[in-house]
Amino acid sequence: GAGVSQSPSNKVTEKGKDVELRCDPISGHTALYWYRQSLGQGLEFLIYFQGNSAPDKSGLPSDRFSAERTGGSVSTLTIQRTQQEDSAVYLCASRRNAGFSYNEQFFGPGTRLTVL
Amino acid sequence: GENVEQHPSTLSVQEGDSAVIKCTYSDSASNYFPWYKQELGKGPQLIIDIRSNVGEKKDQRIAVTLNKTAKHFSLHITETQPEDSAVYFCAGILNYGGSQGNLIFGKGTKLSVKP
Repeated sequence: GAGVSQSPSNKVTEKGKDVELRCDPISGHTALYWYRQSLGQGLEFLIYFQGNSAPDKSGLPSDRFSAERTGGSVSTLTIQRTQQEDSAVYLCASRRNAGFSYNEQFFGPGTRLTVL
Repeated sequence: GENVEQHPSTLSVQEGDSAVIKCTYSDSASNYFPWYKQELGKGPQLIIDIRSNVGEKKDQRIAVTLNKTAKHFSLHITETQPEDSAVYFCAGILNYGGSQGNLIFGKGTKLSVKP
């Protein structure tokens, strides 16, 4: 079946502008994650949605970052007033939450954000 | 909270040799440790994982070992091939009763396999 998709694949914006990044998780996956990957760095957790529960926002670096998940499916990560240090690859992952076993996180290809 | 350290940051081997990547974690309660492979321009993909109730797991040329006492786990790739060249990430998490939070990732190891 279809995997996790993200759009756009690349985004170039000017400092101070707002951007929206979209994630379409695998159908039926109730858990959705956003990560940030800076050049040569590991994956930095940003936010986690699980079903209808309140999201875990503990990884968001500032109040310029926010995310929504509508209808338990598609998610949008919004960065307001972008700064050059926001330049990174933003990765989305989804996971099927069932039973008591930890299930694999499936990652999308990411959105490469460049802030000029 | 959990902290995962990964070494080395880069690793270069000859085709056919073995490669070993090591990770340590800080939270003794963590009980699930996946390894992800990330090829250029793609998202990470799970290659193998291990739970804290086992010490070793193998899948063809890939194996992972876990030492709970020392709080470290390692990825072993035997008979390396050029297509193994990628960035590898280890991660850890506390898995409790089906309700999990976010994985904590190491900073990655760039593996280069020379023909």
